Amino acid sequence: GAVVSQHPSWVICKSGTSVKIECRSLDFQATTMFWYRQFPKQSLMLMATSNEGSKATYEQGVEKDKFLINHASLTLSTLTVTSAHPEDSSFYICSASGGAPGRTDTQYFGPGTRLTVL
Amino acid sequence: LAKTTQPISMDSYEGQEVNITCSHNNIATNDYITWYQQFPSQGPRFIIQGYKTKVTNEVASLFIPADRKSSTLSLPRVSLSDTAVYYCLVGPSLNTGTASKLTFGTGTRLQVTL
Repeated sequence: GAVVSQHPSWVICKSGTSVKIECRSLDFQATTMFWYRQFPKQSLMLMATSNEGSKATYEQGVEKDKFLINHASLTLSTLTVTSAHPEDSSFYICSASGGAPGRTDTQYFGPGTRLTVL
Repeated sequence: LAKTTQPISMDSYEGQEVNITCSHNNIATNDYITWYQQFPSQGPRFIIQGYKTKVTNEVASLFIPADRKSSTLSLPRVSLSDTAVYYCLVGPSLNTGTASKLTFGTGTRLQVTL
């Protein structure tokens, strides 16, 4: 139980294009989803928190117009990197919480998406 | 958010027991302690979670003293496949009804060799 998937697992795009990453909770309903970014050899950095049906809350320093987050249902959240640039190249990881076996507010993580912007 | 402190790295031989200690001096009354494992280019994997005393599951044990200002993750008889980064986090909180943010520290890089 408590499985979270991400799609795509990796993506390469040209500078200036937009990329959408999907995060799905497969066997539970996620009232809250989180988006993290991780650079090589570094820890995870929280980008934003999204609750189903409401606007995402972004961490300080994260541009909300660049990183669009939509949490339209209890099993799906999307992160769109708009006008991507090489410095946006990173490993993006989502987590989902709510309703999973065990504690209802434990975060379960997806496998991550490797974004490379040329 | 409570800050955690862990050793940056640890080395172990295969078959040994590994104990990773985490300090969280300003843990709040409502906070749980959660440990995750992360392999390169993968998302963190939930290992164990506890509030006080001892918790054991099929992969690890978690020891939490009475003052809850630290915790120790115990991995019995590690194998090469346990080589990973282990993160200690304080959170989520009890009875909040919603998920609370987690702040990842540097983690402990465990290297297991033959």
